[in-house]
Amino acid sequence: NAGVTQTPKFQVLKTGQSMTLQCAQDMNHNSMYWYRQDPGMGLRLIYYSASEGTTDKGEVPNGYNVSRLNKREFSLRLESAAPSQTSVYFCATSINRDANYGYTFGSGTRLTVV
Amino acid sequence: GDSVTQMEGPVTLSEEAFLTINCTYTATGYPSLFWYVQYPGEGLQLLLKATKADDKGSNKGFEATYRKETTSFHLEKGSVQVSDSAVYFCALRVDTGRRALTFGSGTRLQVQP
Repeated sequence: NAGVTQTPKFQVLKTGQSMTLQCAQDMNHNSMYWYRQDPGMGLRLIYYSASEGTTDKGEVPNGYNVSRLNKREFSLRLESAAPSQTSVYFCATSINRDANYGYTFGSGTRLTVV
Repeated sequence: GDSVTQMEGPVTLSEEAFLTINCTYTATGYPSLFWYVQYPGEGLQLLLKATKADDKGSNKGFEATYRKETTSFHLEKGSVQVSDSAVYFCALRVDTGRRALTFGSGTRLQVQP
């Protein structure tokens, strides 16, 4: 039972390069989220998808784009990476936006931009 | 906007000591409250939750009570173990706007044998 799978686990980019972080879930959850985790700042919401076919901005969306490819997959794209985007990125899912069952998190992608 | 404030860490305790990690919140409406735990190199895991005032969430010996009058959701455990060493995040979710989880900054707990 894989749950939420993120790829890659580690990545080093040069400033200006682009990349896509992948997230796939096998839990049949409707809602998916991308967060970034920075020291002393907790997790901040980048984008979310309440259901298949919809995406919305979170707290810190600048410099990112997302695609909800289907119900299972939600990708995060950095078009032109900047050192300020060095962070650990987590994908999370929930049954739906109104659920109080909590989120299921992937194990994260550690991204370094040099 | 909605926000969560946690005590700064690290919190260092000896095994079998009593643990309290403070969490207070600011929210519009009536939030649901959560504690998540993150072990080294892993994603966050739900530890416990409470969805209305005076509810007590509990799991694995940890407890937290939703105090609306003090806007708090402090995490407690009577006797910590070395295996409890992790980062603990308090979070809230309101039923308006984005309806996504808002997290505190996290508190690192280190338990020494």
